[in-house]
Amino acid sequence: EVQLVESGGDLVQPGGSLRLSCAVSGFTFSSYWMTWVRQAPGKGLEWVASIKQDGSEKYYVDSVKGRFTISRDNDKNSLYLQMNSLSAEDTALYFCARGASYNRYWGQGSLVTVSS
Amino acid sequence: AIQLTQSPSSLSASVGDRVTITCRASQGISSALVWFQQKPGRAPKLMIYDASKLESGVPSRFSGSGSGIDFTLTINSLQPEDFATYYCLQFNNFPRTFGQGTKLEIK
Repeated sequence: EVQLVESGGDLVQPGGSLRLSCAVSGFTFSSYWMTWVRQAPGKGLEWVASIKQDGSEKYYVDSVKGRFTISRDNDKNSLYLQMNSLSAEDTALYFCARGASYNRYWGQGSLVTVSS
Repeated sequence: AIQLTQSPSSLSASVGDRVTITCRASQGISSALVWFQQKPGRAPKLMIYDASKLESGVPSRFSGSGSGIDFTLTINSLQPEDFATYYCLQFNNFPRTFGQGTKLEIK
């Protein structure tokens, strides 16, 4: 059974940092692109970043470029999102998803709240 | 970045109705489009991929069509479990972009 489990979400002050993790199981992690998608409270879905199987290609939405870093550890079957210089606009439920196109499998999300 | 414009943004319909949701891209994206269904508090669920291919396990009352710029998601004979929010996503290039969503509500 394919499983993706996000963790690391928390309440953080503006300007702070946070690192999200996504632990996967049930498929060969190193064979797939991986993606982060977020959803602000009551709002729509926003694609955040994707990373290639070997980590050699990474893409970001403009609003997080220079602040967020997507990475992966294929030995640990884990995906990460390092988030720096957080602002209230980054408050959202963050999902990890398998793939960079079809996104068949998703985690349940990890809530990041940026507030003083 | 490619913009996707969904319409309508909300829709009221009754069980048994046929509904159509459209997604228009700001530039041609071939058939690089998927449709997701999302229910409150849940992760999105893939419904249609490559614009018109039905994801395994999705009821046949769902169908997708289109290529290039204009795409549609059609649901025939609405069932109670279909009331949700639907999003299109383009994967023609990066950055990936979602439509703003269409909330399908019970009339």
